Amino acid sequence: GQNIDQPTEMTATEGAIVQINCTYQTSGFNGLFWYQQHAGEAPTFLSYNVLDGLEEKGRFSSFLSRSKGYSYLLLKELQMKDSASYLCAPYASGGYQKGTFGTGTKLQVSP
Amino acid sequence: GAVVSQHPSRVICKSGTSVKIECRSLDFQATTMFWYRQFPKQSLMLMATSNEGSKATYEQGVEKDKFLINHASLTLSTLTVTSAHPEDSSFYICSAREGGIFPDTQYFGPGTRLTVL
Repeated sequence: GQNIDQPTEMTATEGAIVQINCTYQTSGFNGLFWYQQHAGEAPTFLSYNVLDGLEEKGRFSSFLSRSKGYSYLLLKELQMKDSASYLCAPYASGGYQKGTFGTGTKLQVSP
Repeated sequence: GAVVSQHPSRVICKSGTSVKIECRSLDFQATTMFWYRQFPKQSLMLMATSNEGSKATYEQGVEKDKFLINHASLTLSTLTVTSAHPEDSSFYICSAREGGIFPDTQYFGPGTRLTVL
């Protein structure tokens, strides 16, 4: 099984930087995905980490520490359209993502 | 990236009727498809995992006879909500995983909003 913990809500202003943390306890952990979900829409893939360290992809970066069971998603130069829920999804052994998600962090970006 | 479609995007039905939702992977072969349900302001809840050509694996608390899943081909899975009731009203989302590709990214369909009157 697995336990996933993320903050429920966060607020930030346009142009700022925000870090969304995720801690997890996952048996047979193999990697971690981050997804973005706008209200009323399905999630979209943002990033994937399997090794420790920071993966940068444009304005979004994701960090993983396997030993600490910890990841974060870093969003830079925030835009209004970044207001969404961000879902942390660890996946387990066999490289098979069962499809278990955290409750998500709802980010509200204000002008 | 890979594209997954769902049909219909929105459906309204009367209580007691059955509704079928289709999930298709458009540009890849999906060895595994997942079905989720999401109630307003709540997280995604995995309902079942479907592998092509075999029976779906349902999560605890999900009624197999009520939520019929068929994954007959590598590009199509269907979810049928039988004898729907108002409490089944929800946002149903499918996702597909391409076999043999690392990482095993899930690609989500746009979702189907079901309203049972």
